[in-house]
Parts: sequence; structure tokens; C-alpha cells
Amino acid sequence: RKEVEQDPGPFNVPEGATVAFNCTYSNSASQSFFWYRQDCRKEPKLLMSVYSSGNEDGRFTAQLNRASQYISLLIRDSKLSDSATYLCVVNRGPRDSSYKLIFGSGTRLLVRP
Amino acid sequence: DAEITQSPRHKITETGRQVTLACHQTWNHNNMFWYRQDLGHGLRLIHYSYGVQDTNKGEVSDGYSVSRSNTEDLPLTLESAASSQTSVYFCASSDTGELTDTQYFGPGTRLTVL
Repeated sequence: RKEVEQDPGPFNVPEGATVAFNCTYSNSASQSFFWYRQDCRKEPKLLMSVYSSGNEDGRFTAQLNRASQYISLLIRDSKLSDSATYLCVVNRGPRDSSYKLIFGSGTRLLVRP
Repeated sequence: DAEITQSPRHKITETGRQVTLACHQTWNHNNMFWYRQDLGHGLRLIHYSYGVQDTNKGEVSDGYSVSRSNTEDLPLTLESAASSQTSVYFCASSDTGELTDTQYFGPGTRLTVL
């Protein structure tokens, strides 16, 4: 079983749609959670950190469920420019003992006109 | 502005040659990481360093080595390049401390081993 699992997609949605991605992780010691965005042939870039209380950044909302070890990303009012691969990322343990991150294989989003 | 750079951006080499990929960051981050990314595998950790003179093996370290002689640089060396090492290589760095372990990535090096 992979340490971070994501549906690879692709999710093919029209502009303006709302789309949600889910991710599960296996390491109960993980304390940091992120969503990264990766455009084709480019480096991953931090989209947002994920906090226990849930957090929002414009059209993007992230949720964390520690009990179920589950992370989600909701994108509202999808834009063509949202087309990318979204990587679910967790750290390997307490921040002061390991700074290593575990990356999911990514969920591909295609937003069509 | 602080940044992380990689060079070369593209490299074609032959089997058996030694290759070194450069990574340089100006954030003064203690932590640096090398990943490779292949279709179907996502990002896999090759080596990492938590400070000068510190290096550690990641999950796919065979055939690779790193050295950390200063804070800014973590070069990755392929001792004897193999076709299986054809990949895109990303370097990343992060700060030390409990407040954040966000990693920031360089633009990547696309390596082809013929």
C-alpha cells in the first residue's frame, strides 16, 4: 500500500464547475499536510497547507480528517488555468525529527472551455 | 529574491559516464533534497541533507551520491550513468524548525542516458 494514495484521474470538468480531490495517508504520525500543484514538465509548487480546522484560499478549500487520515481539496468556479496535476503531500513524522515529505502520485485535472 | 536553481536544465549523456547535477539555493535553508520523477512513480527521494557535512540516503539512492560542503549547494552525482536513471530530477529545500517544513523546488533537470 502506498503511503499517500490519490485517484490519478484525469478529472475532466467544464469551466465554472466545482471539483473535489481526495487523498488518504497511512502514517498516523504525520503532522504537516499540503497540496502542491504541478504543471506539465514543471516543478511542484505549494498550493496551500492544510490545517486541522480546514482552510480556504480564494476558490480553494482544504480539509483534514485526522481520525480517518484523509485530506481533501475543493476547487470552486474552475478556470482553464487550474488545469494541472495536484499532489497530496504529508510529512513523515514530527517536524523536529524528520523534515521529509511523502508525495502522492497526483490527481490530474483538465478544465475545458 | 531568494531562489533555488538547478543546472544544467537538460543533459544527454552516455551509459557509464559520471554526471553531476547542480543545485543552489539562496534561502539559507538547512534542509536540501533530491528527487527523481518518473511516470507512474511520482516523486521519489534520492538523497537529503539536514546541514553542512550531513547527507542521508533516500528510498532510491543506489547509483547516486551527494556532498554538502556549504549551506547553499547540494550537487547530485551519478557515479556511472545507467539508462534506468533517465528521469527528471528535482532539487528542493526547506527551513528548519517546528513552524514549517514546506519544501520549495528548483525548476528540474531533464536527464537522458543513452
